[in-house]
Amino acid sequence: EAGVTQSPTHLIKTRGQQATLRCSPISGHTSVYWYQQALGLGLQFLLWYDEGEERNRGNFPPRFSGRQFPNYSSELNVNALELEDSALYLCASCDRHRGSGYTFGSGTRLTVV
Amino acid sequence: KQEVTQIPAALSVPEGENLVLNCSFTDSAIYNLQWFRQDPGKGLTSLLLIQSSQREQTSGRLNASLDKSSGRSTLYIAASQPGDSATYLCAVKGGSQGNLIFGKGTKLSVKP
Repeated sequence: EAGVTQSPTHLIKTRGQQATLRCSPISGHTSVYWYQQALGLGLQFLLWYDEGEERNRGNFPPRFSGRQFPNYSSELNVNALELEDSALYLCASCDRHRGSGYTFGSGTRLTVV
Repeated sequence: KQEVTQIPAALSVPEGENLVLNCSFTDSAIYNLQWFRQDPGKGLTSLLLIQSSQREQTSGRLNASLDKSSGRSTLYIAASQPGDSATYLCAVKGGSQGNLIFGKGTKLSVKP
């Protein structure tokens, strides 16, 4: 069974640009979660999508947004990039209805210069 | 608001030692608790999942316990090996609708 896949692995952007990160969940998982892990900080919850809808978002500005597609894959968009957005962005999926744990992808390393 | 604390922040042990990592959470009304391992610059690998109705889970040399009433969980690693060196993260889920709340992790170094 394929795990959670994220692309790209690395992304370098200039301040002010937009970044798009992608995530494919485990087959059958309808919930996708996005987390940010900045250097020296813990994992901060960004967004939760389930069955195509945004269910919850963390304490991040509106320039962090995303969507979930009918096949349950998801993308995270970060507009007007700032230097502090440089971080490892992790995506996870779970089968919410069966109470399964989270399975994480390998992450996208975003560097803003 | 749920808060998760992990003690110690860092731990260095010689190979072969048994060790315990601690996790505490402020709201005992949790849905489940999950322990993860993270290698530098990598994603998270799930180690053990404990549902709120369970007291412990075991996988190989790892054993995790859960005491909801006191808001504590421990991860026991037996006969540690250099390959166990990583950051260990504890996370709790507040409800079936909730998201995981993470502690800051314990960075473990096992010396040969």
